[in-house]
Amino acid sequence: ETGVTQTPRHLVMGMTNKKSLKCEQHLGHNAMYWYKQSAKKPLELMFVYNFKEQTENNSVPSRFSPECPNSSHLFLHLHTLQPEDSALYLCASSDGSNQPQHFGDGTRLSIL
Amino acid sequence: GQSLEQPSEVTAVEGAIVQINCTYQTSGFYGLSWYQQHDGGAPTFLSYNALDGLEETGRFSSFLSRSDSYGYLLLQELQMKDSASYFCAVNPVAEVSTLTFGKGTMLLVSP
Repeated sequence: ETGVTQTPRHLVMGMTNKKSLKCEQHLGHNAMYWYKQSAKKPLELMFVYNFKEQTENNSVPSRFSPECPNSSHLFLHLHTLQPEDSALYLCASSDGSNQPQHFGDGTRLSIL
Repeated sequence: GQSLEQPSEVTAVEGAIVQINCTYQTSGFYGLSWYQQHDGGAPTFLSYNALDGLEETGRFSSFLSRSDSYGYLLLQELQMKDSASYFCAVNPVAEVSTLTFGKGTMLLVSP
């Protein structure tokens, strides 16, 4: 039990589909993050939310659309993705600045 | 900007000691963190160095030298379950905690 839950664990979708990834944290943290992890590459920060407000968008294509309705939930809406978007998408949360980040188990996304 | 360099792979035997190095180029950061990730699992926090010197947590220790732009993770009394990827990361100076990660070091522990 990591305290950060992601669903689904695996997702296969076509390039024309629309799907959403969900993240929920049970730790009372006020910051949440989306990362992309591809093989042989460092973890790439995508989005940061602090107290439900987006504070960072790390030059992510518009086919990825985040949503943070409250401090405990974070979504990543996907549409018209490309094969190179196949990766592990990780959600994390932290209790503000300079505190350790707690990660979920990720969603393994495959684009056909 | 920030960039971090780690060896891609390290091998060792059970009971041994292994050191995973991390060198970095960064314009400014709060501290150096280490995360462990088992295959198919979530990265989990191991240690954090805000100041120069050694931080010890059980079998794991982490070291930072800002003057040398260098840090390392030391794992002692290696066990098979320590086989995993280990990532160093820096907290850049920013209002909200963000992390820049290295590519990770895969540690393979053999009997």
